[in-house]
This record gives sequence, structure tokens and C-alpha cells, in this order.
Amino acid sequence: GENVEQHPSTLSVQEGDSAVIKCTYSDSASNYFPWYKQELGKRPQLIIDIRSNVGEKKDQRIAVTLNKTAKHFSLHITETQPEDSAVYFCAASLGGGANNLFFGTGTRLTVIP
Amino acid sequence: GAVVSQHPSRVICKSGTSVKIECRSLDFQATTMFWYRQFPKQSLMLMATSNEGSKATYEQGVEKDKFLINHASLTLSTLTVTSAHPEDSSFYICSAVGAGGHNEKLFFGSGTQLSVL
Repeated sequence: GENVEQHPSTLSVQEGDSAVIKCTYSDSASNYFPWYKQELGKRPQLIIDIRSNVGEKKDQRIAVTLNKTAKHFSLHITETQPEDSAVYFCAASLGGGANNLFFGTGTRLTVIP
Repeated sequence: GAVVSQHPSRVICKSGTSVKIECRSLDFQATTMFWYRQFPKQSLMLMATSNEGSKATYEQGVEKDKFLINHASLTLSTLTVTSAHPEDSSFYICSAVGAGGHNEKLFFGSGTQLSVL
């Protein structure tokens, strides 16, 4: 099966700085890579996703990059704000959709005002 | 986006009792639902995959007789923790994948915090 590794496990940045979270996956057949944000005690929320036919996707302050050759993908948050503080999970799917997702171990991001 | 409703949000029960958690897709039909367990500061651990009208598929190490899953309709899946014990205390989250336009996205319920005394 797929194995997804996520780094770092914790990340602290000053407000306004950028944050980068990286994930690697093991199965080259994986073709869908979503990112979820989970605030304490709440449900994970999909914030951005990317498919294997695209190298980069951006949505306002959030961007995701995918390197299929190296089998890694990254989440980039620019101009961080305190409300960005949460746990972020990456995931990879073999099926092109959300039916067979394998999650990373999560990154706790803290944005210091 | 699609909405997944999960109830109850919090339950406290005595050891030995059974607890039922409901997961509903409110505005789409979910052919597949997933149940996860999440310990504090840890990732989502997939427990089982629930397909409408068929038996759930359990992950290795998850006791199917203890965690009963029923997916009787395209909008409802239930997880029953039978004879709960303190070690079953955890945050349980469901998610759903829809048919049609929603079948490429995963939507999560709000979670259930189970505390077994």
C-alpha cells in the first residue's frame, strides 16, 4: 500500500512569514494529493488539492507543489496569520479521488503574532 | 461544499455500555463512508470503510465485533462501539465520498469525543 510521510511534525513561524510543509509518498501510481486543515477539536477541512497532471496549484495565500519524479509534494502558506494555526494533514490517493486516501502524520503549525 | 453531519459531538458513558455514532451526508449521496479514530496530537487512523448495502471493510487490528458499522442508506452510516471500555475513549470522525459531482472529494463529519468512565 501507500506510505505517506510528513515533515515537520511541528512548525512555528512569525506572523507574516511563510510556512512550508512537505510530504513524500511511496507509490508512484498515486495521483491525487489533498491537504486538510484541522483546528483543535474540529473536523479536518479540505484547503487545497492537486492532481498528478499538474505541478503547482495556488489559491490566494496557499499553494501546493508536486514533484512526481521525487514523489513529494509541499504545502506553502504565505503571509501567515494567527488563524492559520492548526494541524495540517497531507494525503495521497491511488484512485484519483478520495476513495483510497492515505494520510500523513500531521504538522502542528503555530503562527506567533 | 458538501456537508457531513455527525452526532453526537460528545458522549460520556459507563464501561460496558454501547454507544452509537451517526454520520449523515446532508446534501449528497455517499456511496462510501469512512470511520477514523484520532488520539490527541496524532493523525487520523482509518478504522473501516463503509459501503452502502454491503459489509464494512475493517483495517488490520480493528475488531469488527467491537466496532459495528452499518451503512443502510446512501446518506447514513453508523458506528456502534459495543461494550465500551476506557481504552476506547477517543475522538471518532467519519468522512464521506459522494457519487456524481462530489465523488472526488472527501468531506469530514465534526467528530465525536467518546469518554468511557
